[in-house]
Amino acid sequence: GAVVSQHPSRVICKSGTSVKIECRSLDFQATTMFWYRQFPKQSLMLMATSNEGSKATYEQGVEKDKFLINHASLTLSTLTVTSAHPEDSSFYICSASLAGDLSTDTQYFGPGTRLTVL
Amino acid sequence: GESVGLHLPTLSVQEGDNSIINCAYSNSASDYFIWYKQESGKGPQFIIDIRSNMDKRQGQRVTVLLNKTVKHLSLQIAATQPGDSAVYFCAENIPGTASKLTFGTGTRLQVTL
Repeated sequence: GAVVSQHPSRVICKSGTSVKIECRSLDFQATTMFWYRQFPKQSLMLMATSNEGSKATYEQGVEKDKFLINHASLTLSTLTVTSAHPEDSSFYICSASLAGDLSTDTQYFGPGTRLTVL
Repeated sequence: GESVGLHLPTLSVQEGDNSIINCAYSNSASDYFIWYKQESGKGPQFIIDIRSNMDKRQGQRVTVLLNKTVKHLSLQIAATQPGDSAVYFCAENIPGTASKLTFGTGTRLQVTL
């Protein structure tokens, strides 16, 4: 149980274009989803917290107009990188917390999306 | 600011030996800790967690120890196997932060034959 998927797994785009990444909880409902980015050989850095039906909360230094997050249902959150540039190239990972389970804060992670901006 | 950190960036262990990966955390308010395993090109995989009201928790071949006095967390892997080779991250959660996790810098575990 507690499986999270991401699509696509890899994407290559031209500079200036926008890319959408989907995060789905497959066998559970997730009130909260998180988006991270990870540069090579570095740790995960939280970008934003996404709650179903409300606006995402962005971490300091993360541009909300550049990284658009939508959490339209309890099983789907999307991250759109707008006007992507080479410096946005990174590994983007989402995670989800089980809805309604106040006894645990465990996050289950997706497999990640490798974004390369040319 | 406060952060979670690790003592050893790379740990090399012979197959069959036990591995110990350490983590130091600085936020005394943290009450929930998780160890994740990340293989190359994949997302983090949950290994084991522990709450601050415990000092030890065991899973299958893994044990997490928590020492709140010195704010130290460790992951012990028994009979290390080649499949255990990965980067291991500890993460902490601070109460009232809506399940947000702060990740440590990571330790690469290399299992030699």
